[in-house]
Amino acid sequence: SQQGEEDPQALSIQEGENATMNCSYKTSINNLQWYRQNSGRGLVHLILIRSNEREKHSGRLRVTLDTSKKSSSLLITASRAADTASYFCATDLYGANNLFFGTGTRLTVIP
Amino acid sequence: EAGVVQSPRYKIIEKKQPVAFWCNPISGHNTLYWYLQNLGQGPELLIRYENEEAVDDSQLPKDRFSAERLKGVDSTLKIQPAELGDSAVYLCASSTGVAGANVLTFGAGSRLTVL
Repeated sequence: SQQGEEDPQALSIQEGENATMNCSYKTSINNLQWYRQNSGRGLVHLILIRSNEREKHSGRLRVTLDTSKKSSSLLITASRAADTASYFCATDLYGANNLFFGTGTRLTVIP
Repeated sequence: EAGVVQSPRYKIIEKKQPVAFWCNPISGHNTLYWYLQNLGQGPELLIRYENEEAVDDSQLPKDRFSAERLKGVDSTLKIQPAELGDSAVYLCASSTGVAGANVLTFGAGSRLTVL
């Protein structure tokens, strides 16, 4: 079973625009991570935010975490065609040491 | 540094045939995972190893799936016999297993098509 759900399922934007993806999860977490998957490839880790953090930045990525709402968002600023991929949130549950992935958001950036 | 290596990348078999997938994790990564990914879905955990020990195999369909990780390094995942519904991508990942900062490195996956 999958722990998280991403919203929207698909997103199409013009190059240069910002893209925002949301993730909701069900139980208490140790940390939450975002991964990217290009078509036909494995997943690549983007960023990790711990349960006691509220916001984190990495280059053009900004992640927020609201543990009271059990939700996170990933913002990609100034998108590029190369950002076209599927994005997954993954929750690391307390005591589990497993990562549970959401359903993913398929992002298309139009040049 | 070589990443997580999986083989074969693609496999097409008839139903009821056996199939095996191989994974070589990143050197020094004690934790190894096998995930199943259906088209348009996120990865779903099948089994997790800590060194040689399978510490979580609750989602592995044990009637037809088996896995092993001899010597705590390479791992194989086997399906026997394969069914049509097993068509999916099988992803292997590894990590250092550091609690609270468990970042996974994935292989490219093995795409299975069962006819």
